[in-house]
Amino acid sequence: EIVLTQFPGTLSLSPGERATLSCRASQNVRSTSLDWYQHKPGQAPRLLIYNASSRAAGIPDKFSGSGSGTDFTLTISRLEPEDFAVYFCQQYGNSLFTFGPGTKVDI
Amino acid sequence: QVQLQESGPGLVKPSETLSLTCTVSGGSITPYFWSWIRQPAGKRMEWLGRIYSNGNANYNPSLGSRVSMSVDTSKNQVSLRLRSLTAADTAVYYCARDNPDFYYYYMDFWGKGTPVTVSS
Repeated sequence: EIVLTQFPGTLSLSPGERATLSCRASQNVRSTSLDWYQHKPGQAPRLLIYNASSRAAGIPDKFSGSGSGTDFTLTISRLEPEDFAVYFCQQYGNSLFTFGPGTKVDI
Repeated sequence: QVQLQESGPGLVKPSETLSLTCTVSGGSITPYFWSWIRQPAGKRMEWLGRIYSNGNANYNPSLGSRVSMSVDTSKNQVSLRLRSLTAADTAVYYCARDNPDFYYYYMDFWGKGTPVTVSS
């Protein structure tokens, strides 16, 4: 099973600042299988990035993804109040989806 | 816009079987994959398995033979059954559509989740 680690656990920032979130895999992950989601309490998780760097439909370009192999990054260029949430990465490998523990972005 | 709604009992007794339903609206359940995921409080999400609209399923080996899934195309629903429950199965349970283009592996639509507590 591929284990995903995310850091930092919590990122305390202010509106207008840039957020850089990391996701590290215990073994190589195919880029076609690495995704990022935003999750707010009581809401459905929202797909932001798939294929490591492709924005999902309707996702603004302030969200960008990069990386390959075992190291992946989600960047939010300028935080707005609605961006404060938990972000988690996900991968599909060996016929199994696994998830990172999440990074909480708060004020 | 595709919407997913999970439903089922919020409280189940230990050793019993959990049955949850995911009702899909705004789109058809065919020809797609549908996954079930859960998240215990304070922990990461765990994938339980997925089922294709033709009924073919594969499950997370960590659950052994306790899990099964089914589809009802006439009702546009996907169902989850989890047997022999323990307190460790207490979690918020989500359904999601996955791998919609059969190439990239992502989950593009999710439900809001339904909380399940296993307790006597």
